[in-house]
Amino acid sequence: DAGVIQSPRHEVTEMGQEVTLRCKPISGHDYLFWYRQTMMRGLELLIYFNNNVPIDDSGMPEDRFSAKMPNASFSTLKIQPSEPRDSAVYFCASSSSSRGAKGYTFGSGTRLTVV
Amino acid sequence: ELKVEQNPLFLSMQEGKNYTIYCNYSTTSDRLYWYRQDPGKSLESLFVLLSNGAVKQEGRLMASLDTKARLSTLHITAAVHDLSATYFCATAGRGGATNKLIFGTGTLLAVQP
Repeated sequence: DAGVIQSPRHEVTEMGQEVTLRCKPISGHDYLFWYRQTMMRGLELLIYFNNNVPIDDSGMPEDRFSAKMPNASFSTLKIQPSEPRDSAVYFCASSSSSRGAKGYTFGSGTRLTVV
Repeated sequence: ELKVEQNPLFLSMQEGKNYTIYCNYSTTSDRLYWYRQDPGKSLESLFVLLSNGAVKQEGRLMASLDTKARLSTLHITAAVHDLSATYFCATAGRGGATNKLIFGTGTLLAVQP
């Protein structure tokens, strides 16, 4: 099992540009989560999906952020337009409702820098 | 709203010493997770605690859960430098969105030789 795969690992972009982060969850997992990590705010849950359907997006900071999960093996988090305050590490995680005891598996993260 | 608090936020300890990290959460939960994060790395699952009184041990780390007190502890025995990392606890509450994992602030552990 390759684990949760995120791309890119690093992204540097200019303010105002569109940024798309990608995530491939573990096969068979039916939950997918997007987190953001910063020094000031720690780990924040942005949005999560169950069976490709968004369940709770209350953590999405504003309309500039959007997330999709077109199928069970792929999700995107898009920021448009990006701002310097969006600089953070974005993690994707997945879990299985049938194996909740195993916890949540995190990807390696995408370090986003907006200049 | 579920809140998870850890203390201390920063812990500097000498090798060979023992210490405990505390994790309090604000609403009823029957699952508690501990993760480790090394600098610049992802989160690695350490323990999953599923019931009141659950205790799990791996090497020099032992985690326990008291659901009545809404408290989990991570005990470090005879610390070694390799344990230096940030430790997070997380819980998902009970009922409703039980898969919405909320993290504590993290405890940065620095083990000095």
